[in-house]
Amino acid sequence: NAGVTQTPKFQVLKTGQSMTLQCAQDMNHNSMYWYRQDPGMGLRLIYYSASEGTTDKGEVPNGYNVSRLNKREFSLRLESAAPSQTSVYFCASSDRGYVKLFFGSGTQLSVL
Amino acid sequence: AQSVTQLGSHVSVSEGALVLLRCNYSSSVPPYLFWYVQYPNQGLQLLLKYTTGATLVKGINGFEAEFKKSETSFHLTKPSAHMSDAAEYFCAVTDSWGKLQFGAGTQVVVTP
Repeated sequence: NAGVTQTPKFQVLKTGQSMTLQCAQDMNHNSMYWYRQDPGMGLRLIYYSASEGTTDKGEVPNGYNVSRLNKREFSLRLESAAPSQTSVYFCASSDRGYVKLFFGSGTQLSVL
Repeated sequence: AQSVTQLGSHVSVSEGALVLLRCNYSSSVPPYLFWYVQYPNQGLQLLLKYTTGATLVKGINGFEAEFKKSETSFHLTKPSAHMSDAAEYFCAVTDSWGKLQFGAGTQVVVTP
């Protein structure tokens, strides 16, 4: 009964390095999302995928790219990491829009 | 554009006392409203939601919230706090495009 699985759980990068955060869901959900959580700012939407084959920008997309690899998987890529991207990243999925989101346990990313 | 304001970034309550978390929103269209809870080192999980119909909604773990359109509020309450209620709570609202806007969060501390 995995739900939404994110890897890795922790990551430290140097400025300019690249990395990909992986997300997979086993609930056959159509929609998937990437959020970042920063203290005092709640969660902000980076990118989302309403259905397999589509992706759209959210509130804070700059510096990120995404790939909806198939219905299960939605990855987030940082091409050239910056200290401002230090954050906790959450992947989420839903069956029908925003009626109920299921979240992964998060990735804590530090960019030095 | 809609926004969500949570009053108080930290709330301390005694075990057995009333929990009251305040949330006000602005929205140009009838909103869908949500409360999510985040336990330490975990992702968010849905506590309760208001979409249409009855304005008093009940959620998991004894929480409830009332949608008051005239006050543009969706405050979360629980009559008697338990130690296990210590967590961060997020209010969220959908906008006209169906994207979730989260509040900044309220950290709840429960004291014996």
